[in-house]
Amino acid sequence: DQQVKQNSPSLSVQEGRISILNCDYTNSMFDYFLWYKKYPAEGPTFLISISSIKDKNEDGRFTVFLNKSAKHLSLHIVPSQPGDSAVYFCAVKDPTGGYQKVTFGTGTKLQVIP
Amino acid sequence: DGGITQSPKYLFRKEGQNVTLSCEQNLNHDAMYWYRQDPGQGLRLIYYSQIVNDFQKGDIAEGYSVSREKKESFPLTVTSAQKNPTAFYLCASSIIGGPTSNQPQHFGDGTRLSIL
Repeated sequence: DQQVKQNSPSLSVQEGRISILNCDYTNSMFDYFLWYKKYPAEGPTFLISISSIKDKNEDGRFTVFLNKSAKHLSLHIVPSQPGDSAVYFCAVKDPTGGYQKVTFGTGTKLQVIP
Repeated sequence: DGGITQSPKYLFRKEGQNVTLSCEQNLNHDAMYWYRQDPGQGLRLIYYSQIVNDFQKGDIAEGYSVSREKKESFPLTVTSAQKNPTAFYLCASSIIGGPTSNQPQHFGDGTRLSIL
């Protein structure tokens, strides 16, 4: 039973346009949400996060939106650049997990076409 | 330059053999984690440790073992009991904050394990 779903396994976007990556979760208790970026043969790197008390967090070209009523999280990249081509994982923190349990989605592979 | 080092990058194992994956961090993080990634799946937690000499099972601990004798090191042993060990293994570490603290995990570059 997947608690975190990224329903789009892949996404292609033209350079300069907006990339929108989506993530749905099932548990309203989740209180912290993160996005990680992963290049092939490397470990994921932390990109941006948002707390459940906010609905938007922005860092340069990256903005994360949180819709708690819909249990939906999205990452916007504007403008998209070829170097953004990677796999993006959303992750959620469950405060009841005891050790700051983090559950990862299955990832969306973004390709930015020059 | 602080970070997490996983070695080796590629590892081959014969059936029936145990194999140990190394993970070392110099970030002074208290918590360390092992994840497994399979194609089309997210990262699944194998084991985690919040303090030296203590560790807990994650979601898929069967067939794996760990130790945490030093803060910097968290080796993972894939035993012969693990029936499907071929995967990409990732080690991570993080600061442990309070109940309301949110600290992202820092990852190594992974070890790809294959069965011969």
